[in-house]
Amino acid sequence: QQQVKQSPQSLIVQKGGISIINCAYENTAFDYFPWYQQFPGKGPALLIAIRPDVSEKKEGRFTISFNKSAKQFSLHIMDSQPGDSATYFCAASGGSNYKLTFGKGTLLTVNP
Amino acid sequence: DAGITQSPRHKVTETGTPVTLRCHQTENHRYMYWYRQDPGHGLRLIHYSYGVKDTDKGEVSDGYSVSRSKTEDFLLTLESATSSQTSVYFCAIRVQNYGYTFGSGTRLTVV
Repeated sequence: QQQVKQSPQSLIVQKGGISIINCAYENTAFDYFPWYQQFPGKGPALLIAIRPDVSEKKEGRFTISFNKSAKQFSLHIMDSQPGDSATYFCAASGGSNYKLTFGKGTLLTVNP
Repeated sequence: DAGITQSPRHKVTETGTPVTLRCHQTENHRYMYWYRQDPGHGLRLIHYSYGVKDTDKGEVSDGYSVSRSKTEDFLLTLESATSSQTSVYFCAIRVQNYGYTFGSGTRLTVV
């Protein structure tokens, strides 16, 4: 049973455009929702995270939107740049031991 | 990646041989995790540790064991490597109020 579903698998955006990646979760015990960015040959790096007590969090060009009733959250990348080209993972955790469950990832390509 | 080192970075091994991957941290964090990354599957948790000698299974633990005899080291052992264990393995530490920091990964090929 896949607990975190991520879409799309791949995304191509023009420079300056908006990139949107969506995730849905099933476990209502999840209470922490991070997004990770991974470049080829590197480990994932934390990009931005949100907790369910807020509906939106913005850091620079990156925004998480969170819909608790729909059990969905999304990453918006404004003014997308070629340097944003990477794989993005959503994740969720809750309860003890802080285990993260990841989505399958989205390969973002930003064309110049 | 600050504070976390994985070794080796690359390894090729034969089917049926045991393999041990090492994760070393310098910052005394309690929680450590081993994930594997495969195309189309994202990152899947193998095992994790919540303290010295305290470990538990993740979702894909069959064929793997772990040990943590010191706070700074978390070892992942493939008992008898199989081709299905060809993957990129990532170690992560939980940094309080910051989430996970991942290592640079170990690319393992089982031939």
